[in-house]
Amino acid sequence: AIQLTQSPSSLSASVGDRVTITCRASQGISSALAWYQQKPGKAPKLLIYDASSLESGVPSRFSGSGSGTDFTLTISSLQPEDFATYYCQQFNSYPSTFGQGTRLEIK
Amino acid sequence: EVQLVESGGGLVQPGGSLRLSCAASGFTFSSYAMSWVRQAPGKGLEWVSAISGSGGSTYYADSVKGRFTISRDNSKNTLYLQMNSLRAEDTAVYYCAKKGSGRYCSGGSCFNFDYWGQGTLVTVSS
Repeated sequence: AIQLTQSPSSLSASVGDRVTITCRASQGISSALAWYQQKPGKAPKLLIYDASSLESGVPSRFSGSGSGTDFTLTISSLQPEDFATYYCQQFNSYPSTFGQGTRLEIK
Repeated sequence: EVQLVESGGGLVQPGGSLRLSCAASGFTFSSYAMSWVRQAPGKGLEWVSAISGSGGSTYYADSVKGRFTISRDNSKNTLYLQMNSLRAEDTAVYYCAKKGSGRYCSGGSCFNFDYWGQGTLVTVSS
């Protein structure tokens, strides 16, 4: 199975900061990557699909980029509601797999 | 409005069985592949199983193959997960999730998830 490694595993930042989270795949996955946000006790929420397509209703401060093995999720200006855990997911090949998560905390 | 509502979770002894349900509304259920994804307490997300819109194709993670069975009743807009021979390591919140837009892998077993249910907790313990 394809392994996804997110970095960092945790991150402290302030409101208004620009934040970047990286997801690296153990082999090429083209652009078949999604990003999710999960808050405690809640289901994950889709932010980005196909590496860079913004899901409907998601604020434009979220953006995704990359292809092949290296991907990034960028939040251009952190808002209080953005503090959460973020996961990447590959769906290029069976079985679909997730990264281990990046916990974004308030500094 | 798309809604996915899971039910059927609970406490079960090792070796026991449980059947999860996911009631869907707000979209044409039979047109979309669906999946189950689980999350052990304090851990990350793990894809468990997927099924095509017609129900004719099913897919499983190696960790559950031979023990879990995914199915759907399109007349009732409901997705199921029959879980047998349960183990302590199956303890998790189980989410049902709808296939989203965009790419998917060949064969259709893997895709992104644009809507998720609230989850149902399965605890396997004696």
